[in-house]
Amino acid sequence: RKEVEQDPGPFNVPEGATVAFNCTYSNSASQSFFWYRQDCRKEPKLLMSVYSSGNEDGRFTAQLNRASQYISLLIRDSKLSDSATYLCVVNPFGNTPLVFGKGTRLSVIA
Amino acid sequence: ETGVTQTPRHLVMGMTNKKSLKCEQHLGHNAMYWYKQSAKKPLELMFVYNFKEQTENNSVPSRFSPECPNSSHLFLHLHTLQPEDSALYLCASSQESVWDEQYFGPGTRLTVT
Repeated sequence: RKEVEQDPGPFNVPEGATVAFNCTYSNSASQSFFWYRQDCRKEPKLLMSVYSSGNEDGRFTAQLNRASQYISLLIRDSKLSDSATYLCVVNPFGNTPLVFGKGTRLSVIA
Repeated sequence: ETGVTQTPRHLVMGMTNKKSLKCEQHLGHNAMYWYKQSAKKPLELMFVYNFKEQTENNSVPSRFSPECPNSSHLFLHLHTLQPEDSALYLCASSQESVWDEQYFGPGTRLTVT
């Protein structure tokens, strides 16, 4: 299994829809988990950290499932402005840099 | 946002030129990174500096030479590049350790002719 794997998409959803992305990671010792958002030709921006207890920020909910080694991102009430590539990011283990997934492309359609 | 700045934002250079990319972070972070992102490809980690010491070199060709004079500044010196080196070069920083969340600069879009 690759260190971080994501479905590349694209996910094309209508405005107002709920969409969920999953990301699997290979190392059970991983400690840090994040979701980033990257707009076309722009830098990645931190969307949210993912905690063991799960966390929510407005329309966005992130969850971690250590047993199955995946993290998820749920977007409710999708907006046109949510169209972007969503990057799953994991610290593989110990004192190693974060590993960025290849990203999942989301297009929200009017 | 001015947390992490990069200059220049765009650069066109010939294969025989020498140029440098500059990154500065105003966040008080101790780790800094260089990434390469080619068109429609994922991020590729190039170099990592932690407390000014290089801790990672991801098999990057020697035509790319990083320099980290202090925790706030990071340079990428370029010489005799190839057209396939054309890409978006992103700088990032993180607070204490390499597993903290990273904050990115806007990138330098490099074209090698």
